[in-house]
Amino acid sequence: AQSVAQPEDQVNVAEGNPLTVKCTYSVSGNPYLFWYVQYPNRGLQFLLKYITGDNLVKGSYGFEAEFNKSQTSFHLKKPSALVSDSALYFCAVGPSSNTGKLIFGQGTTLQVKP
Amino acid sequence: EPEVTQTPSHQVTQMGQEVILRCVPISNHLYFYWYRQILGQKVEFLVSFYNNEISEKSEIFDDQFSVERPDGSNFTLKIRSTKLEDSAMYFCASSRDRHTEAFFGQGTRLTVV
Repeated sequence: AQSVAQPEDQVNVAEGNPLTVKCTYSVSGNPYLFWYVQYPNRGLQFLLKYITGDNLVKGSYGFEAEFNKSQTSFHLKKPSALVSDSALYFCAVGPSSNTGKLIFGQGTTLQVKP
Repeated sequence: EPEVTQTPSHQVTQMGQEVILRCVPISNHLYFYWYRQILGQKVEFLVSFYNNEISEKSEIFDDQFSVERPDGSNFTLKIRSTKLEDSAMYFCASSRDRHTEAFFGQGTRLTVV
């Protein structure tokens, strides 16, 4: 079965410190991996994706993610957190089916304190 | 910047009534989706739509649900005979192709009373 796990419900970090939001996946075939962010009462905003190529992917707002095939992980990172990064973050995987469907993790709330 | 738009932003309906949620996907996108998010839970896939037909649907998407692209711009989700447990945020999304990122609308909050 295809699945995505985000092991932490919440991550707390001080402003200016590096942040990591964890994601692991289980999917047959080559995965298509995505990170989305959701601000309160808003839709999902695309941050970055891994399709193929370099394992370190750079995205919007200074975020990056590292694809690790052996650990089946795709952790989201940022070198220096901002208070405005506080939001709900979703990891998603697109299985190698033909439909474009995404399977989402349960989400991780990132709280950046000043 | 192009965006997916959804209307209405909030819909309250009585149990048993039919609702239609509307979406205008990004104009050059070919794949369309509906997802839902029950309060406090994760985002769940409902259906994908390509070339004027459903390409995949989840177990949630039973006979109560239907989708339609009635013209070149709109993409609708119809829920017949709504139930209390249909209360959720419904997101429409579109993508250029099946492996590129999907862009999501702001959502329609459906409340069934």
